[in-house]
Amino acid sequence: EPEVTQTPSHQVTQMGQEVILRCVPISNHLYFYWYRQILGQKVEFLVSFYNNEISEKSEIFDDQFSVERPDGSNFTLKIRSTKLEDSAMYFCASSGSRASNQPQHFGDGTRLSIL
Amino acid sequence: GESVGLHLPTLSVQEGDNSIINCAYSNSASDYFIWYKQESGKGPQFIIDIRSNMDKRQGQRVTVLLNKTVKHLSLQIAATQPGDSAVYFCAENVSKRYFGTGTSLTVIP
Repeated sequence: EPEVTQTPSHQVTQMGQEVILRCVPISNHLYFYWYRQILGQKVEFLVSFYNNEISEKSEIFDDQFSVERPDGSNFTLKIRSTKLEDSAMYFCASSGSRASNQPQHFGDGTRLSIL
Repeated sequence: GESVGLHLPTLSVQEGDNSIINCAYSNSASDYFIWYKQESGKGPQFIIDIRSNMDKRQGQRVTVLLNKTVKHLSLQIAATQPGDSAVYFCAENVSKRYFGTGTSLTVIP
């Protein structure tokens, strides 16, 4: 069964440094998402991406965040200047045709630890 | 504001018993609902979905019930197994797919 893959599984970064989290969505999917989950808390929506542009973003997704689909397979989340509170699990997800009535398929996440 | 929430943070059941996990939503415009399972160290995994034109949908050992009148959703797991131990989230399509805090299901062998 096709799956969403994320790399790395664990990223440790010094505060203030830039970090790029990578995702390979399911190949025929058109909608892409990033979520984060702070330890012990709920999954929080960050951003959705369709047709090479952001379609929705939450208040968490401020100017420090950006997303990109640099080629036909990868979908990346960049945090420009990391803060301690960025430490969390970051999940990538993708879905098929219309985003509103299709389930999302999630990767197993990248654990981001900011020191 | 809109929210998707769960009634109980934890649930313990004996292996072989049925489990019921509940979820409330507040957005009347929601017309599609999803249940996810999240095992430790893994991402949310799709279990079952239901559209608002239905009030019940069955999968393999799982049933989702939707009561639009009271904006309530439940997930029933039949003959619960140790492998069902996980956190279960509901999500809906309108509020940017916000997840509730989840219900942690523990299956006691």
